[in-house]
Amino acid sequence: DGGITQSPKYLFRKEGQNVTLSCEQNLNHDAMYWYRQDPGQGLRLIYYSQIVNDFQKGDIAEGYSVSREKKESFPLTVTSAQKNPTAFYLCASSNLRGNTIYFGEGSWLTVV
Amino acid sequence: GENVEQHPSTLSVQEGDSAVIKCTYSDSASNYFPWYKQELGKGPQLIIDIRSNVGEKKDQRIAVTLNKTAKHFSLHITETQPEDSAVYFCAPMDSNYQLIWGAGTKLIIKP
Repeated sequence: DGGITQSPKYLFRKEGQNVTLSCEQNLNHDAMYWYRQDPGQGLRLIYYSQIVNDFQKGDIAEGYSVSREKKESFPLTVTSAQKNPTAFYLCASSNLRGNTIYFGEGSWLTVV
Repeated sequence: GENVEQHPSTLSVQEGDSAVIKCTYSDSASNYFPWYKQELGKGPQLIIDIRSNVGEKKDQRIAVTLNKTAKHFSLHITETQPEDSAVYFCAPMDSNYQLIWGAGTKLIIKP
């Protein structure tokens, strides 16, 4: 089946640790995105990438980093610099800028 | 930048009745207007979208209407069913091709 796979579904992070969320798509989409969603809120853009080896900061990039070494993969690292990382993280992709965006099932990150 | 407001924040309707959610935006250059449905603990799913050259689009029980002059678009769900219970988001695309998300509307279908 074509789609976007995020892993892990649930992740716990200790204070001061970096963690990486995985996102893989087999839709052959050029653009990929990472969003953060806090309870009862809308989505906020962290980073996006329109092409391999290129990515742009979104509205809340501080404390996060990404890479885009392969078209199908766009991992997100939540660094220790992110002071309030507990949230629901959503990966998405689209075939062209301005076209429909499709989402993965999300990853829950909790700081313990 | 784009400013998006979505109303109401919570909507409770009797099963079988209609539901309408409204989204207003500020960027007159916006030309793509999707609605997403999000079930608890899952990613948003596109349910219907419309582009600025069309005033209305319908897909079975779901429709979207667009008023570009007034800068608002609305989601209409007819003959509501229990499985329509979810949070609905509007996300107009701004002139930089980014989706700008509303805060969401929690739709409750009462049996």
